Amino acid sequence: DAKTTQPPSMDCAEGRAANLPCNHSTISGNEYVYWYRQIHSQGPQYIIHGLKNNETNEMASLIITEDRKSSTLILPHATLRDTAVYYCIVSRNTGNQFYFGTGTSLTVIP
Amino acid sequence: NAGVTQTPKFQVLKTGQSMTLQCAQDMNHEYMSWYRQDPGMGLRLIHYSVGAGITDQGEVPNGYNVSRSTTEDFPLRLLSAAPSQTSVYFCASRTGAYQETQYFGPGTRLLVL
Repeated sequence: DAKTTQPPSMDCAEGRAANLPCNHSTISGNEYVYWYRQIHSQGPQYIIHGLKNNETNEMASLIITEDRKSSTLILPHATLRDTAVYYCIVSRNTGNQFYFGTGTSLTVIP
Repeated sequence: NAGVTQTPKFQVLKTGQSMTLQCAQDMNHEYMSWYRQDPGMGLRLIHYSVGAGITDQGEVPNGYNVSRSTTEDFPLRLLSAAPSQTSVYFCASRTGAYQETQYFGPGTRLLVL
């Protein structure tokens, strides 16, 4: 599975959009981009995933560049409860191995 | 549904002791896995199972044993605990083949002295 690169930490003002970048320059054609988050030592929680097209759900939006070498997770209106570590993971959809990396620690500031 | 449950929540062991971390799910998921998370690190896969009677090694399997006799349960055994195994352990399950359906338990904090 391809590895990802994320900034170690970011801040975002409450109510503003949080844009979390991820580089995955060695991604293969059959690999998806997944985003999970971990709030204060709880178990990770699935947010969103995509292959080529941009995706949106009730939690977030995922923007994947045309060459698929990078992506951005967007939390449209960040709240204090969005303070967490966000993991960008690249993996085959049906693979058994899932590599979390160190993620981005997002702090939402009042 | 209770989801994925883990026991105990916290455990202290002495070097050389053995113990079993319990994981259970009531969602009839075929796929279950164990991860460990060290301070400041992401999760690393220890072992996984794609169904009852079938297990395989992940990224960091040394020092751990697993078995899967039922769909519901996937215990993780430490045969001879070492300080390097001090970590937070997470169990996860998913409905089948797809990664996005992975659900995680609350974790077990293990301290080996």
